[in-house]
Amino acid sequence: KQEVTQIPAALSVPEGENLVLNCSFTDSAIYNLQWFRQDPGKGLTSLLLIQSSQREQTSGRLNASLDKSSGRSTLYIAASQPGDSATYLCAAGGSQGNLIFGKGTKLSVKP
Amino acid sequence: GAGVSQSPSNKVTEKGKDVELRCDPISGHTALYWYRQSLGQGLEFLIYFQGNSAPDKSGLPSDRFSAERTGGSVSTLTIQRTQQEDSAVYLCASSSQPTPYGYTFGSGTRLTVV
Repeated sequence: KQEVTQIPAALSVPEGENLVLNCSFTDSAIYNLQWFRQDPGKGLTSLLLIQSSQREQTSGRLNASLDKSSGRSTLYIAASQPGDSATYLCAAGGSQGNLIFGKGTKLSVKP
Repeated sequence: GAGVSQSPSNKVTEKGKDVELRCDPISGHTALYWYRQSLGQGLEFLIYFQGNSAPDKSGLPSDRFSAERTGGSVSTLTIQRTQQEDSAVYLCASSSQPTPYGYTFGSGTRLTVV
């Protein structure tokens, strides 16, 4: 049974810092790995999706990497801004399309 | 539509009542998923529809929960005889197949059972 763990559970940084969010999964037989952002009271916004054959994806200040063999993914946020404050969720996708989510990392970027 | 639409956005119901939650996926998306997010918990998979195939119901927590998808489009999640532990945000997502494009989630229905 796939289990996804995110560390840390919460993170507070000053504006401008570069930061890394960690995600680990127990079953390396994943179809893809997806990172989402969730703002309070809102749904999820897809940030980056990495297919199992890929090593990383980049979008603006965000970079996500995937190491299937070690069961790990990281989300790198460069030059953090207060608007980046949200909960970041990692999800491992199986071949049937179902996602198994971690519990998220709550990020607070202080001005 | 432009996005995944869920209704109602908020629902307060008395314990023991039945509720229906609606999801209208993106037009043309063949896959539809329901997830539940309880306070302080991660997202929990409930059920998955793919085209005309039999749905994957493996995540439904009890037989009080059921879902249907009519005409391969709109889906309804029904919870019978609601309990306080059913209080959560119920999220719907849709995706195209194959899934290189990821998921689009709706804003969810916040269900409160009193």
